[in-house]
Amino acid sequence: QKEVEQNSGPLSVPEGAIASLNCTYSDRGSQSFFWYRQYSGKSPELIMFIYSNGDKEDGRFTAQLNKASQYVSLLIRDSQPSDSATYLCAVIVVGYQKVTFGIGTKLQVIP
Amino acid sequence: DTAVSQTPKYLVTQMGNDKSIKCEQNLGHDTMYWYKQDSKKFLKIMFSYNNKELIINETVPNRFSPKSPDKAHLNLHINSLELGDSAVYFCASSQGRGDEQFFGPGTRLTVL
Repeated sequence: QKEVEQNSGPLSVPEGAIASLNCTYSDRGSQSFFWYRQYSGKSPELIMFIYSNGDKEDGRFTAQLNKASQYVSLLIRDSQPSDSATYLCAVIVVGYQKVTFGIGTKLQVIP
Repeated sequence: DTAVSQTPKYLVTQMGNDKSIKCEQNLGHDTMYWYKQDSKKFLKIMFSYNNKELIINETVPNRFSPKSPDKAHLNLHINSLELGDSAVYFCASSQGRGDEQFFGPGTRLTVL
């Protein structure tokens, strides 16, 4: 079982729709959860981080964490073509402090 | 002002050569990382240093040797390059080991 799993996509959504990106992780000691966006040919950049169960909102982005189900998601409201990128889920385990990335989900927002 | 910089941006070399990639951060962060992103875009951690001390060393061939002369710099030296080493190598830094990471622009290494 992979430590951090994401569907590689592509996930296609029409402009203005909600894009829902999902990530599951295997280690129950996981403590910190990050979503990075990576445009083609560029480096990853942080979108959101979440540490506690529940929702965290920042503008059009909402991160959701459910530690019991070992599940973290990212919702993008009012999706724009400029949101088209690969979204990487990253997880840090307590104590070890190693960050593990998922394979990333490629999002395509269709105008 | 570039927060995390890497040189060179592109590196094309022959099998068997030795090469180095340099990384510098001006964010005052304590922790620095090297990642490899292969052709399938999977981002895998290779090494992590905290205040010049190696804290993570993943299963990486010993042809790869990181060096941290001070906490603002983390260089990567690769001996006897192989075809499979072709990838994009990213340097990153964070304030602490559990904090968000800031990535450099990447170094695209091509081994012929």
